[in-house]
Formats: sequence, C-alpha cells, structure tokens
Amino acid sequence: DTGVSQDPRHKITKRGQNVTFRCDPISEHNRLYWYRQTLGQGPEFLTYFQNEAQLEKSRLLSDRFSAERPKGSFSTLEIQRTEQGDPAMYLCASSPRTKVYEQYFGPGTRLTVT
Amino acid sequence: AQKITQTQPGMFVQEKEAVTLDCTYDTSDPSYGLFWYKQPSSGEMIFLIYQGSYDQQNATEGRYSLNFQKARKSANLVISASQLGDSAMYFCAMREGRGFGNEKLTFGTGTRLTIIP
Repeated sequence: DTGVSQDPRHKITKRGQNVTFRCDPISEHNRLYWYRQTLGQGPEFLTYFQNEAQLEKSRLLSDRFSAERPKGSFSTLEIQRTEQGDPAMYLCASSPRTKVYEQYFGPGTRLTVT
Repeated sequence: AQKITQTQPGMFVQEKEAVTLDCTYDTSDPSYGLFWYKQPSSGEMIFLIYQGSYDQQNATEGRYSLNFQKARKSANLVISASQLGDSAMYFCAMREGRGFGNEKLTFGTGTRLTIIP
C-alpha cells in the first residue's frame, strides 16, 4: 500500500495558463476528494467522486475548474486561465468502502502563479 | 458562524508533557463526525482520530484521545507524553450528516504545536 500520490508536487505557471494536476488514490479506494489549502488556513473542500461519478462540487469550484475521474481510479484537476487567487496547495484524499469516514491525504501539489 | 473553531494559533509544550488542543464545532445535524489531522512541515495531512456523534465512549488511538463533550460541542485532542515528532500543525474537522452527499470535511484554521526538548 503506497498511499495517495499526487503529481506534480510543485507547479509554477504564468497567469492565464492552464494547469492540470493528477491524483492516484490508494488502491481499491472508491472515494476520491479534492481540497484546496491556502496559507494559514485549513483545507477547503472542492469536489468528490465515488468511483467515476462526481457527486458533489463546492461553490469554490468556479467554471475555470474541472475535475475528472474517468475510470474510477486516478483523477485530474484542471484549472484554466490561472489567476492570482489560484495559488494554493491542492490536496487529494481517498477513502475505502469499509471506512468511508476516514480520508487519507496525499502530499499535495503546490501551485505558484507568476 | 464558523463551523469549526480552533482558538489556539500556537502552543509550546515541554517534551513528555501531555497537551490538549481545543476544538469547538457548530452544527444542527444530529449525525456528524469529528476528526483530527496532523500536518507536519512536509505538508501531508495525517489522519489521527475519529469520533462519531453517536459514539458513547471517547475515541482513543495510541497516545491520542479525543475528549468529546457533546453538550458543549467540543472535541479536544489530548496527546499524552508528547514527543519531538509531535511538532506540527493540527487540524480539527467535521463531517455533517450521513450518506451520500455528506462526506466533505470542514476544517478549522489549525493549531501549531511545538514541542520543546
């Protein structure tokens, strides 16, 4: 069991560019979550999937954000036309069928916008 | 109103002493869950302990225990015999309701714990 992995760990982009982050959950975890954490704050919920279905989206997830989990395994989070308000740590978590209340987090992707 | 409140931005504790990190919550849902996570400087959120609203006994996991006072809406984390490796940010979080669509966690702003040798 290798834990939740995220790629890249750090992304530097210019304002206006698109970025995509990948999350690989723990094997056989059917639930996958995305959170955003800004400096000095706790994580804020963005969206979550059960298998390939996206079941909930936060109001924080504007039209520029899109998340997918096409085969119910890994997930991608894309941000289009990055803005100055987008820099944050983007965290992914997964939880197993048997313990849906426990979310195991990955190391996160830190986004910097120049 | 804040759903999760952590009033201690930072704490300094002598090694081997016990430490209590405060957390109060606000919900009108009778079914909810409370969590504590540890975030070391590496950034990864580490799950520590969970307490369900209907659980009769306080949750314990090794050196961690959750002091659950339902009437006061508090869920304090107690770490016994603190170690240098306990130095980190600690977040309290809540999940409201049960079933589909009620799985997101709402986090507090965290407490930075520093253990002094």
